[in-house]
Order: sequence, then structure tokens, then C-alpha cells
Amino acid sequence: QKEVEQNSGPLSVPEGAIASLNCTYSDRGSQSFFWYRQYSGKSPELIMSIYSNGDKEDGRFTAQLNKASQYVSLLIRDSQPSDSATYLCAVAKFSGGYNKLIFGAGTRLAVHP
Amino acid sequence: DTGVSQDPRHKITKRGQNVTFRCDPISEHNRLYWYRQTLGQGPEFLTYFQNEAQLEKSRLLSDRFSAERPKGSFSTLEIQRTEQGDSAMYLCASSFASGTENTGELFFGEGSRLTVL
Repeated sequence: QKEVEQNSGPLSVPEGAIASLNCTYSDRGSQSFFWYRQYSGKSPELIMSIYSNGDKEDGRFTAQLNKASQYVSLLIRDSQPSDSATYLCAVAKFSGGYNKLIFGAGTRLAVHP
Repeated sequence: DTGVSQDPRHKITKRGQNVTFRCDPISEHNRLYWYRQTLGQGPEFLTYFQNEAQLEKSRLLSDRFSAERPKGSFSTLEIQRTEQGDSAMYLCASSFASGTENTGELFFGEGSRLTVL
């Protein structure tokens, strides 16, 4: 079992729709969760972080966390073509007394006009 | 520019040669990570440092890979006797960690793309 799992996609949504991206993780001890966006040929950039169960909203983005189900999701409202990218879920994993970020394989999102 | 910088951006080498990549993190960041990314995959953890101390090296990493951060500033990643399977993008990222915690906001460099012929 991979430590962080995501559907690879592509997830195709029309402009203006809600895009829903999902992620599951294996380590029940993980406490910090992140969504990174990676445009083709570019490096990942942080868009959202979430630490507590429930929802966290930032503009058009909402991150959702359910630690009991070991599940994290990202909703993008009013999707725009500029949102087309790969979305990486990352989980902070404690090892040897320190925490490090483990990434999923990413979900490719395509927003079509 | 005060972002994370990596050098070289591209490296083409023949199988069996050694290569070295350099990463200069954001100056006030004490945590530095190396990841490897291949097409269609997410960044794969290789190793990380807090200041000059190497905290962990991935068990998936062979002994041909070594990394250093001698003065807690820049870091180098060396691959000895390269193989075709080493072809990938090598990403460096930095962050500020207070003690053992990490906010998780990693700032990535543009990466060093390695092609082994």
C-alpha cells in the first residue's frame, strides 16, 4: 500500500464547475496535510494546508480532512482553464523524531472552456 | 532573487559517469529536502537535512547516492556510476522548521533534469 494515494486522472471538468480531488493516506499518526499544484514543466507550489478535521476555505479552494477515514480532499469552485495542472497531496510523516513530507502521485486536472 | 536555486538545470551524461547537483536554499531556511520526480509521478523523497545534519535517507536509495550540507547552507547531491534508471528531475526544496516540526510549506527550486544515455 502506498503511503499517499491519489487517482491519477485526468479529471476533466467544464469551466465554472466544481473540481473534486481526493487523497487517502496510510499513517494514522499523520497530523498535517497539504495540497500542492504543479503546472507542466514547473515545480510544485503550496496552495492549501489543513491540520484539523473539517473544512478549510481559501478563496475558490476548500480543503477537507477526515482523520478517522484517513481522507483528504480538495474542492475547486468555479474552475478556470488556468487551474489545469497536476494536484499533489502531501502528508507530513513522523520518522526518527522529525517529520517529512510524503507526496502522492498527483491527479491531473483539465478544465475545458 | 531569494528563491531556491539549483544547478545545473539540465545534465546529460553517459552511463557509469558521476554527476553532482547543487542546491542553494532560501537563506533563512534550516530544512532542506531532495526529491526525485519522474514523468507522471509525484516527488519521491530522497533525503533531508536540518541545518548540517542529515536526518534521513530513503531506504529505496542505493549507496550510489550521497548528499551533503556541510555548513548548513547549500547542499550537494552526488550520483556515482549513473544508470539509465537514474534519469529523472531532481528537486530541491527548503523550509523553516521549529524543532522537529515543519510547517510543510516547502519552497521548491526549478529542478535539475538528469538524462543518462
